[in-house]
Amino acid sequence: AQKVTQAQTEISVVEKEDVTLDCVYETRDTTYYLFWYKQPPSGELVFLIRRNSFDEQNEISGRYSWNFQKSTSSFNFTITASQVVDSAVYFCALRTIIQGAQKLVFGQGTRLTINP
Amino acid sequence: GAGVSQSPSNKVTEKGKDVELRCDPISGHTALYWYRQSLGQGLEFLIYFQGNSAPDKSGLPSDRFSAERTGGSVSTLTIQRTQQEDSAVYLCASSLARIRTSGGTQYFGPGTRLLVL
Repeated sequence: AQKVTQAQTEISVVEKEDVTLDCVYETRDTTYYLFWYKQPPSGELVFLIRRNSFDEQNEISGRYSWNFQKSTSSFNFTITASQVVDSAVYFCALRTIIQGAQKLVFGQGTRLTINP
Repeated sequence: GAGVSQSPSNKVTEKGKDVELRCDPISGHTALYWYRQSLGQGLEFLIYFQGNSAPDKSGLPSDRFSAERTGGSVSTLTIQRTQQEDSAVYLCASSLARIRTSGGTQYFGPGTRLLVL
């Protein structure tokens, strides 16, 4: 069975603070992909990043960075110097490449509010 | 290029009526997915289409739900005899088929917000 846990339901910080969103996953598969999506108030899910299970290199994209650690089954997301426009619900998701298991399994999401 | 489009953006219907929701995937994407997002259940997978293969219907909650994909492109999700618990946002996504190169990254449409009175 596959499962994604985002333990933080809501986070509220003041603008310019750094914030980390946690994601812990469970899977018995050795090959899998992890994703982060952003859902702003408009409602559309926006793809942010994809990571495969063989690539544990951390990634940085502007103010966003991701830390993938297989040893702890975690794929955490950090926003540096947060801005009001970062306010959204963020979802972590997992999928494997097993035929017939193409769906994304999502965490419950973390609602991030950046206050000015 | 154009992203995934869905129509209508909002739908209000009366309990017991049938509704049809439409999804137009990204051009060239052979895989198409439907998900449902509701307050109590989060994001749930409903159904998956890949090319001409039989769809994966394992996520459909009841036999009132069905979907088809015509010509390998546009898909329609039909809910018959709607119930109040069907109220949710219905999201469509599409992806390339080559999982090992693209990771099967799914790109989502804006969703259809369904309200059953």
